[in-house]
Amino acid sequence: KAGVTQTPRYLIKTRGQQVTLSCSPISGHRSVSWYQQTPGQGLQFLFEYFSETQRNKGNFPGRFSGRQFSNSRSEMNVSTLELGDSALYLCASSFKSGGSADTQYFGPGTRLTVL
Amino acid sequence: AQSVTQLGSHVSVSEGALVLLRCNYSSSVPPYLFWYVQYPNQGLQLLLKYTTGATLVKGINGFEAEFKKSETSFHLTKPSAHMSDAAEYFCAALSGGYQKVTFGTGTKLQVIP
Repeated sequence: KAGVTQTPRYLIKTRGQQVTLSCSPISGHRSVSWYQQTPGQGLQFLFEYFSETQRNKGNFPGRFSGRQFSNSRSEMNVSTLELGDSALYLCASSFKSGGSADTQYFGPGTRLTVL
Repeated sequence: AQSVTQLGSHVSVSEGALVLLRCNYSSSVPPYLFWYVQYPNQGLQLLLKYTTGATLVKGINGFEAEFKKSETSFHLTKPSAHMSDAAEYFCAALSGGYQKVTFGTGTKLQVIP
C-alpha cells in the first residue's frame, strides 16, 4: 500500500501570496489531519477532515482553511501569507475518526518558505 | 486544555547505553498516549501507543513505554541505543474526542559511538 503523499515537497512564496498544499491519504483512509511544525511552536494541530466534513479545528486564524474531496484527498490553503507561516506542514491519515486513537500515518510534509 | 511536557530538548547517550526519554501529560482523565519518531526531512512514524489495558507498551525498534497514571507519565525507554536511533522523538496525547492530538516539544536524541 502506498503511504501518505504530499505535494509539493518544497514551496517558496512571498508575503501576501496564497498557497495550496495537497495530501493524498492511504487508500481506504477517510480521516485526514493537518499539522504545522515550526522550531518555535513545535507541532500544532490545524484541522481534521473526515468524510468531507471538518471535524475539529486548532487555534489558527481564518487564513488557514482546508477541504476534503470525495476520494478523501485533502487540500489546505493559506491566504495572505506571512513570514511566520514558514513551516513544515504535515498531513496524517487514519481509517477512523472520532477519538478512536486510530493510528495516524504521516506524510513527509511540505516545506513552505515565505520570503 | 491538554498539555504534554517532554523533559530535555536534547539527550545524548552512548551506543549500547539505556535510552530514557521523559514525557508527562496533564489531564485528570488519562488520554490516549503516543510516541513518534521523526528523522530529518521526513514525517512522523508511530513507535507505540497506549489506549487501555496493559500499562507497559512495546513498540517497534525495541522501544517500550510505561503508562503511570499516578505520575501522569509515559516515559520511553530502550535498553541499548543504536546509532540509527538518532532522531527527534515526540510524545503526544489524544483526548477530548476526534483526532485533535497535542504534541510535546520533542527531544532530539544523539547517539555517541
